[in-house]
Amino acid sequence: GESVGLHLPTLSVQEGDNSIINCAYSNSASDYFIWYKQESGKGPQFIIDIRSNMDKRQGQRVTVLLNKTVKHLSLQIAATQPGDSAVYFCAENHNQGAQKLVFGQGTRLTINP
Amino acid sequence: NAGVTQTPKFQVLKTGQSMTLQCAQDMNHNSMYWYRQDPGMGLRLIYYSASEGTTDKGEVPNGYNVSRLNKREFSLRLESAAPSQTSVYFCASSEATGVTGELFFGEGSRLTVL
Repeated sequence: GESVGLHLPTLSVQEGDNSIINCAYSNSASDYFIWYKQESGKGPQFIIDIRSNMDKRQGQRVTVLLNKTVKHLSLQIAATQPGDSAVYFCAENHNQGAQKLVFGQGTRLTINP
Repeated sequence: NAGVTQTPKFQVLKTGQSMTLQCAQDMNHNSMYWYRQDPGMGLRLIYYSASEGTTDKGEVPNGYNVSRLNKREFSLRLESAAPSQTSVYFCASSEATGVTGELFFGEGSRLTVL
């Protein structure tokens, strides 16, 4: 079956640098994508979303880029802070008429001081 | 504002025992969900309820049953627990019933089946 995947399971960056977390998807019918952040021992927390009719969306210190040609999604975090340390999941919705998200495996982001 | 509350937070069961995970949300959301998360994996949808009175299967429904008791509460039941059901279970809710909408997750319930 089709699934959401990630290029890298772990990412380590210096505090203050920009972080880029990548996600590949294979379902061309997906029309909505979300990034979640999960801190240790907690539930996932919404970061940002993007619809398939857009290629870029910005939030506070975060930007999501969508490249439908190569089925690639990325999350950029500017000026990474220690509080950004977490596992980041991308998720897609296969346009099934409900919020039935398919989650990727996650990328663990570690911030070095 | 408590958001999504799950109980219990931790539970150990023996194979064949039954239990119910409780979930309640105070955001007046229409939709509620149960996910499981296994080590090194993303979340997989077990069941969801698009609105009060309706439930539907997700990706991994076998071995589980759900009840949407009212708009606030959505419970997950394991009738005969198996070691393969050892996992962290997350309840979530959302306002939207369509394709878009943010999910609000609880803190999770860690279940171990011996």
